[in-house]
Amino acid sequence: QKEVEQDPGPLSVPEGAIVSLNCTYSNSAFQYFMWYRQYSRKGPELLMYTYSSGNKEDGRFTAQVDKSSKYISLFIRDSQPSDSATYLCAMSVYGNKLVFGAGTILRVKS
Amino acid sequence: GAVVSQHPSWVICKSGTSVKIECRSLDFQATTMFWYRQFPKQSLMLMATSNEGSKATYEQGVEKDKFLINHASLTLSTLTVTSAHPEDSSFYICSPGKDSLKETQYFGPGTRLLVL
Repeated sequence: QKEVEQDPGPLSVPEGAIVSLNCTYSNSAFQYFMWYRQYSRKGPELLMYTYSSGNKEDGRFTAQVDKSSKYISLFIRDSQPSDSATYLCAMSVYGNKLVFGAGTILRVKS
Repeated sequence: GAVVSQHPSWVICKSGTSVKIECRSLDFQATTMFWYRQFPKQSLMLMATSNEGSKATYEQGVEKDKFLINHASLTLSTLTVTSAHPEDSSFYICSPGKDSLKETQYFGPGTRLLVL
């Protein structure tokens, strides 16, 4: 079993839809949770960073962490074609290496 | 976020040659540099962690004699793929860090290596 599981997709949605991206994990020691966006042939770009449980909102993006269920989510409101990319979840224990999910390919159609 | 550059952005080489990839942290001093590899449709895998002025620490399964890492300054780290083979074809991405904190990381734009 992988430490971090993420559905690779692709996930296709119409422009304006609410997108829900998810990851599950097995290591209960993870404390830091990140979401990265990666465009084709580019390095990952940090979107959201959350410590421990709870919600965090930044513009159209909301990150949720449910440590009791070992489940994290990223919601994108009013999705745009420019949001089409691969979204990677990542998590870590303090001071330890990041562990990435496989990434979900998102396609927003205009 | 941090500004990170990598050079070259892509490289094609013949099997058996060595390729050097440079990573520069442009707006802060990176005491630590993380090197990742990403195969097509797969996630990022940490290859090694280097600290400025000391030897790199390699992840299990990564050959230290094949992937030479130099972190001679706080703004520059290099990864040299020695005697490259087609199976080394991948997307190599660096990520500078301060001290040993890893919970937030910014990444370089990546270098795509194709070994023929």
